[in-house]
Amino acid sequence: TQLLEQSPQFLSIQEGENLTVYCNSSSVFSSLQWYRQEPGEGPVLLVTVVTGGEVKKLKRLTFQFGDARKDSSLHITAAQPGDTGLYLCAATKAAGNKLTFGGGTRVLVKP
Amino acid sequence: EAEVAQSPRYKITEKSQAVAFWCDPISGHATLYWYRQILGQGPELLVQFQDESVVDDSQLPKDRFSAERLKGVDSTLKIQPAELGDSAMYLCASSLGGLPTYEQYFGPGTRLTVT
Repeated sequence: TQLLEQSPQFLSIQEGENLTVYCNSSSVFSSLQWYRQEPGEGPVLLVTVVTGGEVKKLKRLTFQFGDARKDSSLHITAAQPGDTGLYLCAATKAAGNKLTFGGGTRVLVKP
Repeated sequence: EAEVAQSPRYKITEKSQAVAFWCDPISGHATLYWYRQILGQGPELLVQFQDESVVDDSQLPKDRFSAERLKGVDSTLKIQPAELGDSAMYLCASSLGGLPTYEQYFGPGTRLTVT
């Protein structure tokens, strides 16, 4: 069982639609990060959230950290084909500094 | 813009052979990480260096894997002998420090296929 569960595992939508991916755990985290990884490349950091209830916006992307700091969501408004990729959440537990990744959500935005 | 360099990008090897991957972190980054990413999964930390010292290798299969960062700059990850289950993407990342507040920058990875 992974420490961080991401859902759904795969999402295929049409350009212009909205989507939300989730990252859940039974553990409390001191910080949580979202990455996007394109095929054949390494992950690229999108955002870091550290405060329970925190909401961050990055253009059409909205990130939310749960009040209890156990879960997070990523919402994309009006998705574009360039948003296609593997979205990974990663978190650090309060007691340590090791970054643990979820299994990822593969997003395909069709033109 | 500074980047983490990795080579080779792709490697095909037969099982029982030895294979090595190289990583050159961003200049000035004291912390270096090696991750393994199996297809369809998230990256898993294999080893973390702070300068030339290993600070976490709890998930490194030490019977066949070894990693070094002799001068605290570039690093090599070796597998000997390779097994079919080692087929994966091997990612290197670096950061200014080892605390989670420091952003990790990932290289493009080395995709290993063991036949």
